[in-house]
Amino acid sequence: KQEVTQIPAALSVPEGENLVLNCSFTDSAIYNLQWFRQDPGKGLTSLLLIQSSQREQTSGRLNASLDKSSGRSTLYIAASQPGDSATYLCAVYLYNQGGKLIFGQGTELSVKP
Amino acid sequence: NAGVTQTPKFRILKIGQSMTLQCAQDMNHNYMYWYRQDPGMGLKLIYYSVGAGITDKGEVPNGYNVSRSTTEDFPLRLELAAPSQTSVYFCASKEDGTNQPQHFGDGTRLSIL
Repeated sequence: KQEVTQIPAALSVPEGENLVLNCSFTDSAIYNLQWFRQDPGKGLTSLLLIQSSQREQTSGRLNASLDKSSGRSTLYIAASQPGDSATYLCAVYLYNQGGKLIFGQGTELSVKP
Repeated sequence: NAGVTQTPKFRILKIGQSMTLQCAQDMNHNYMYWYRQDPGMGLKLIYYSVGAGITDKGEVPNGYNVSRSTTEDFPLRLELAAPSQTSVYFCASKEDGTNQPQHFGDGTRLSIL
């Protein structure tokens, strides 16, 4: 059974720091891995999607990497800003199962001014 | 751009009552999903659909039912509400294709008292 784990559960950093969020998964048979952002009281917004054949994806100050063999992904946020404060979730898309996503429990990020 | 619309946003039910959570998308997506999110946890898949007339169970389907009579709508029905169903419910949709991201609604916050 696929399990997705995110460490740390919560993180507080001063503005301007570079930071890394971690995601691990137990089964490498995935189509892709996705990173989402969730603001309080809101739904999820897709940030980055890394296909299983890719090693990384970049969007602005965000960079996500994928190492299928070790079952790990990282989300790197450069020059963090208070507006980056949110919960970040990773999810893996399973083979041949109707596009089902298995989610980690999320990392709650707080960026202090 | 409406995207995925969920109604209601909030609801309080008494134990044993029934209700239907509504989800509609205007993007002509075939794939639709219902998730629940408990405090401090990631999302758990309840039911999903790969097209009108086709539905299947996710990880936590007990106590819920769904139907998919049109491409646009994917209602979730709770029969005999129980306190364990207190949660935030999210609906999502996506385009065909393995590397398309899911688009989420803003959620329905449901309390069973």
